[in-house]
Amino acid sequence: AQKITQTQPGMFVQEKEAVTLDCTYDTSDPSYGLFWYKQPSSGEMIFLIYQGSYDQQNATEGRYSLNFQKARKSANLVISASQLGDSAMYFCAMREPGPTSAGTALIFGKGTTLSVSS
Amino acid sequence: DTGVSQDPRHKITKRGQNVTFRCDPISEHNRLYWYRQTLGQGPEFLTYFQNEAQLEKSRLLSDRFSAERPKGSFSTLEIQRTEQGDSAMYLCASSLGGRLAYNEQFFGPGTRLTVL
Repeated sequence: AQKITQTQPGMFVQEKEAVTLDCTYDTSDPSYGLFWYKQPSSGEMIFLIYQGSYDQQNATEGRYSLNFQKARKSANLVISASQLGDSAMYFCAMREPGPTSAGTALIFGKGTTLSVSS
Repeated sequence: DTGVSQDPRHKITKRGQNVTFRCDPISEHNRLYWYRQTLGQGPEFLTYFQNEAQLEKSRLLSDRFSAERPKGSFSTLEIQRTEQGDSAMYLCASSLGGRLAYNEQFFGPGTRLTVL
């Protein structure tokens, strides 16, 4: 079973509109972290936002917010007031603590391509 | 620039040749990760180090792949006898240590490998 599922291969939005990118995850560990990364066409992975499993409030970072619904195991990214520069691939990822103190690497979804038009 | 750096940025090689990539992490980060990303997919974990110790290797890391981090600073990833299926972007990331789930991984710009 996939650990991270992103069901939207592509999303289209106009400038200044809000957009929600979906992410569901699967883990049996009560302690985990959820991340969203942006990957523009240049290739670098840019960290956007983090949500810990024990965080009571939804994470926010500027125009980015994470709609965390723990019971549904979803961690959707909401981008408000889209800009042309938001056009990129967006990846949801999860990190579990793992069996050792070293933890585990990130597990990524397949990504969603966001296209913002003027 | 104090971010993660990777060298080279692009590598074109012929099938059967060996290639080596280098990653320089953020200086105070003791964890270093290697990922591979093929076109249209998310990054897939290959291996990671805590200081100089290689703590985990993915099943994706065949015996043609070897990674080192000799002094706990920079790391190298070598692919021997390259195959066309090795063509991908190889990403390096670093983070602080600790068992907490939150340790943001900072990614380098990647090395794009093309095997002809």
